[in-house]
Amino acid sequence: EAQVTQNPRYLITVTGKKLTVTCSQNMNHEYMSWYRQDPGLGLRQIYYSMNVEVTDKGDVPEGYKVSRKEKRNFPLILESPSPNQTSLYFCASSLSSTSGGVLTDTQYFGPGTRLTVL
Amino acid sequence: AQKITQTQPGMFVQEKEAVTLDCTYDTSDPSYGLFWYKQPSSGEMIFLIYQGSYDQQNATEGRYSLNFQKARKSANLVISASQLGDSAMYFCAMRVSLRDMRFGAGTRLTVKP
Repeated sequence: EAQVTQNPRYLITVTGKKLTVTCSQNMNHEYMSWYRQDPGLGLRQIYYSMNVEVTDKGDVPEGYKVSRKEKRNFPLILESPSPNQTSLYFCASSLSSTSGGVLTDTQYFGPGTRLTVL
Repeated sequence: AQKITQTQPGMFVQEKEAVTLDCTYDTSDPSYGLFWYKQPSSGEMIFLIYQGSYDQQNATEGRYSLNFQKARKSANLVISASQLGDSAMYFCAMRVSLRDMRFGAGTRLTVKP
């Protein structure tokens, strides 16, 4: 089954304790990204990756790190979590296809990780 | 800068009736894609429908259609014959580049029996 998986699904941690949220896709997609969802703000892009070893910042990258050593995996790292990073996090992947110069790729989302930083 | 606006925080609709969820966008780029996603209470994001900026016809997917009015920069989602399972949060999104994927704040739809 084609899917994007994230682990853990729920996490409660304390300020300053490093954590990693894993993301894996089995669709051989080049493009992967991380979003955070906060009430009233929709989803905001944290980081994205166009392929292995190619990553770039999104709109809200502060306090986060990512790596893309393999095509299927795109972990999100919080080196020193703070309470303002309490949020619902989504990983997504897509093929990055275009038609007539327009990005037509449909992003497939993971189930989400609900993170609470105390 | 790219921007997506959903002005309806919440909407109610009677079962079996049609409902329109509003979405306006702002971009100076002529090439862009517009998307709608559904987020049920379980939390996952489900892709519903896509419209490219150069598409001449409105996109349709089953009971979902996208009312694309390019001059007005609107991309409203129409759900026909609402079902109880349509109760969810709905997000409009616009993609101009690989870097730039913008989501609206969302509209919570409640379908009444």
